[in-house]
Amino acid sequence: AQTVTQSQPEMSVQEAETVTLSCTYDTSENNYYLFWYKQPPSRQMILVIRQEAYKQQNATENRFSVNFQKAAKSFSLKISDSQLGDTAMYFCASFSSGTYKYIFGTGTRLKVLA
Amino acid sequence: DTGVSQNPRHKITKRGQNVTFRCDPISEHNRLYWYRQTLGQGPEFLTYFQNEAQLEKSRLLSDRFSAERPKGSFSTLEIQRTEQGDSAMYLCASSRGGTTGDNEQFFGPGTRLTVL
Repeated sequence: AQTVTQSQPEMSVQEAETVTLSCTYDTSENNYYLFWYKQPPSRQMILVIRQEAYKQQNATENRFSVNFQKAAKSFSLKISDSQLGDTAMYFCASFSSGTYKYIFGTGTRLKVLA
Repeated sequence: DTGVSQNPRHKITKRGQNVTFRCDPISEHNRLYWYRQTLGQGPEFLTYFQNEAQLEKSRLLSDRFSAERPKGSFSTLEIQRTEQGDSAMYLCASSRGGTTGDNEQFFGPGTRLTVL
């Protein structure tokens, strides 16, 4: 079974600073993908960044990067130069290519402070 | 195409009534997912479709819930004999399908259900 755990219910960061959100997962699949999704207050969920499990190189998207530790089943998100618009719930998710199912963590509420 | 749409955006109903929600996915996407999200929680998988075929339904889903996707386009989620515990945001998402890179989900704005 797939599980995704986010152990930080809430975090805050000063504008322009760097913050790291943690995520651990468990899966018996060999072929899977990991995602970070952002859900701003009262707005739709959007994809932040994606990591293919077979790739060793960590994914980056502008100010967003991940630290993917496959052996430890860890997938953290680093946000550099935090902006007020980064304030949102962040969900870590895994996708299994065997079941085509996505499993989401419980989320981390991030607040960027001016 | 402007993305995944869901209707209605809000629904208030009395306990015991039936409700139906609609989701229109991105047109070329062949996978469609339904989730339930309660306050402060992540989306909880309910069911998903590959084209018109419903491939999996969560064991957490009671038989009061049913979903359809006729012709592999839009989908409906019906809840019969609603209970107060059904109050939640119901999210729909679609993806292109495939196992290599094209599995990004695009979410709709959700339907917020309140059962009085």
